[in-house]
Amino acid sequence: GIQVEQSPPDLILQEGANSTLRCNFSDSVNNLQWFHQNPWGQLINLFYIPSGTKQNGRLSATTVATERYSLLYISSSQTTDSGVYFCAVGDPIISNFGNEKLTFGTGTRLTIIP
Amino acid sequence: NAGVTQTPKFRVLKTGQSMTLLCAQDMNHEYMYWYRQDPGMGLRLIHYSVGEGTTAKGEVPDGYNVSRLKKQNFLLGLESAAPSQTSVYFCASSWGYQETQYFGPGTRLLVL
Repeated sequence: GIQVEQSPPDLILQEGANSTLRCNFSDSVNNLQWFHQNPWGQLINLFYIPSGTKQNGRLSATTVATERYSLLYISSSQTTDSGVYFCAVGDPIISNFGNEKLTFGTGTRLTIIP
Repeated sequence: NAGVTQTPKFRVLKTGQSMTLLCAQDMNHEYMYWYRQDPGMGLRLIHYSVGEGTTAKGEVPDGYNVSRLKKQNFLLGLESAAPSQTSVYFCASSWGYQETQYFGPGTRLLVL
């Protein structure tokens, strides 16, 4: 299966700071998603971004598929941005129905200090 | 739209007991998934379904069964719970292959 590595594992920032989270993956993918898991455990979709660049408010993401990495940018951090950020890529399943599963990285834990 | 909902939110079981987790989605998605999340291991796929009446194994299916009798519902069953099944269980759904997966709020299960 595809290997997914995220860095850094932990990040502590002051409110208002900017950050860049990285996701490296070991094979070509047609599906890549970024999630935010908030302190209550809920997984929130941030981006579906197998290639290219997208922006949503203070968040943006870029995936360079040919070089097998994706970056998540958070600008002007707020305390509500705290939590764990996961990158997940589509990993083919060999079965009667085909399909793919999401293989998740181990996440970056972001803590924003007021 | 409620999106993806899961019932119950939290449950404590004794070893050997059985239970069923319910996932419901109101987005008319064809594909549904059950994952488990364990500390330091990310999320792993247990079972999935590509449409009503279909089910298939994921990467950690042992000890679990599933059913998809209605398009909007995906049930995960534990016939004889074991402490190793203590985890947080997430259901997800998508339109189809290589599409965005939307996750429910999770079910915390503790097996004593």
